[in-house]
Amino acid sequence: NAGVTQTPKFQVLKTGQSMTLQCAQDMNHEYMSWYRQDPGMGLRLIHYSVGAGITDQGEVPNGYNVSRSTTEDFPLRLLSAAPSQTSVYFCASSLGTSGTGELFFGEGSRLTVL
Amino acid sequence: GEDVEQSLFLSVREGDSSVINCTYTDSSSTYLYWYKQEPGAGLQLLTYIFSNMDMKQDQRLTVLLNKKDKHLSLRIADTQTGDSAIYFCAESIPSSYKLIFGSGTRLLVRP
Repeated sequence: NAGVTQTPKFQVLKTGQSMTLQCAQDMNHEYMSWYRQDPGMGLRLIHYSVGAGITDQGEVPNGYNVSRSTTEDFPLRLLSAAPSQTSVYFCASSLGTSGTGELFFGEGSRLTVL
Repeated sequence: GEDVEQSLFLSVREGDSSVINCTYTDSSSTYLYWYKQEPGAGLQLLTYIFSNMDMKQDQRLTVLLNKKDKHLSLRIADTQTGDSAIYFCAESIPSSYKLIFGSGTRLLVRP
């Protein structure tokens, strides 16, 4: 019963490097999203998807790309990492497409950009 | 605008009740949620309340909603050391495709 799986759990990057955070869910959820968590700021939505082939921007999309080629996977790409992207990233999914029902979260990916 | 505010820290003694407060600004919220985050883990849904309810009780948890003042609270009775975590309040906005989260309240339960 895996739920939402994120990899890697920890990553250190240098400014300008690129990387992809992976997210997979095995619950056949339509809605998937990426949030970032910063101290004192709660969680902010980066990108979301309401189904395979459909993605849209959240509150803080700049510097990040996503794709949704399958229902299960929703990778988050950083094309040119910046220190401001140092954060903990959470992938979340939900059964419906509204994104406002119960969200199931992965364990998080802690990213440090030097 | 959309904003959810919470106090940052609460410390209680084991066995006491804890009350975590939250205020929100969007009156069109349909559901309000409480999520719990344990160290090194993702968020897990603790409980929720529909916006037309005033109160919801679930074992040791009591949620109170004052829609007029846009105030939500979570009461944990007989608080245990295992309740030490960060608690996030969140509101759902119709047609927004997202939840708006507060900054989280860190609850420390002292033995």
